[in-house]
Order: sequence, then C-alpha cells, then structure tokens
Amino acid sequence: DGGITQSPKYLFRKEGQNVTLSCEQNLNHDAMYWYRQDPGQGLRLIYYSQIVNDFQKGDIAEGYSVSREKKESFPLTVTSAQKNPTAFYLCASSMSLSGANVLTFGAGSRLTVL
Amino acid sequence: AQSVTQPDIHITVSEGASLELRCNYSYGATPYLFWYVQSPGQGLQLLLKYFSGDTLVQGIKGFEAEFKRSQSSFNLRKPSVHWRDAAEYFCAVGAHRDDKIIFGKGTRLHILP
Repeated sequence: DGGITQSPKYLFRKEGQNVTLSCEQNLNHDAMYWYRQDPGQGLRLIYYSQIVNDFQKGDIAEGYSVSREKKESFPLTVTSAQKNPTAFYLCASSMSLSGANVLTFGAGSRLTVL
Repeated sequence: AQSVTQPDIHITVSEGASLELRCNYSYGATPYLFWYVQSPGQGLQLLLKYFSGDTLVQGIKGFEAEFKRSQSSFNLRKPSVHWRDAAEYFCAVGAHRDDKIIFGKGTRLHILP
C-alpha cells in the first residue's frame, strides 16, 4: 500500500544535540511538507519542497533544516538552534504544490528534549 | 492573506447526538476547503473536500459539510456520533494560485457515553 513512513515514532534528545527525522513516501508525489504540531496551535509549516534539490521555508523554519536529494525522501533536522523543539512533527505529501491538492500525512514523530 | 478560524477548541456531545463543528475562512477568491481528522498520536486523514459545484459535500465516516459563501463558512456535520469519532478535527483552506494550505487550530471532540 502507498503511504508515508515517518521514523522514529518517538525520539528523545538532550539539549544541544541535532536530530534528524526521517520521512519516506512511495506515492510518487512531487511535493512534500513538514509541519510542527503543538497543543492548541494547529499545524505550522516548517519547510516544503516541490521538486528534488529544491525547498522553501515555511512559517517557522528557524532552527530547522531539510534536504530533498530523492523524490521519495524529505528528512528534517532539528538543530540545536531550535529553542523549543519538543513537539509532534508531521510529514505530508501531495501530487503537486498547489492549494487544491489533498495532503497525505505520515503517522508523526514525537520529539522530546530532556 | 488566507486564514481559517475554528471557534471551538473543545466540543463535547453525547453518543448518538448530532454534531456540528464550525469553520470560518477568509480569502478573496473561491477557496478550496478541507476537513481532516486526527486520532491521538496519529497523522491526519482527509474527511472531505470542497472545490466547486454542489455546496453540500459528503465525506467518509458519515460526515458532511456545507459551503456557505455568504457566511464564509464550511461547517462539518454528522447526524449521529459514535464513540470512535472522538478525535481532533482540522479545517483547512487552499487556493489555486497559492502553494500552501492553511490549517485552523483544530477542535477536539469528546464523546460522552
């Protein structure tokens, strides 16, 4: 079955460490997205990508970095510069970069900073 | 700029009762509208979407939503809720010329037995 796989499901990090969250899709979608979810805040867009080797900052990109070396993969690195990284992170994809497209979401990764 | 408002942070209904979750949007042109549902600790799943045509759209799990242009609303309804409907519901808006979809802050639905 096609879908999005995020790993790990749970991740614990010490302050000052970088961590990378994996996102892989087998839907042949061109566009991929990373959202951050905090209680009562809804979903906030971190980064998005339309094609390989190209990505754009979303609304809260500071302290995060991404790469898009393959169409199927869009990993997110939470750097030590992110002041409050504890959150639930959701990866999504869509056929193309358009406000008309339905997003398919992964199951999420919960990051906790100790 | 696009925006989406879900006025109710929490809603509690009894099992078997009817449900209406409110969503108001702000956008100059005709928007693309979506409702997504999220079970605890999971990703989001599309319930239904409105692009054009009939303003009453049917979705999965017995949900429906009605687009009312005059009220800039896209409220989600279900005639009779089940305990499995307890989840968080997100309204979202997109536009053809924009590359981002904007999400509301969500409404958490609680079901009383």
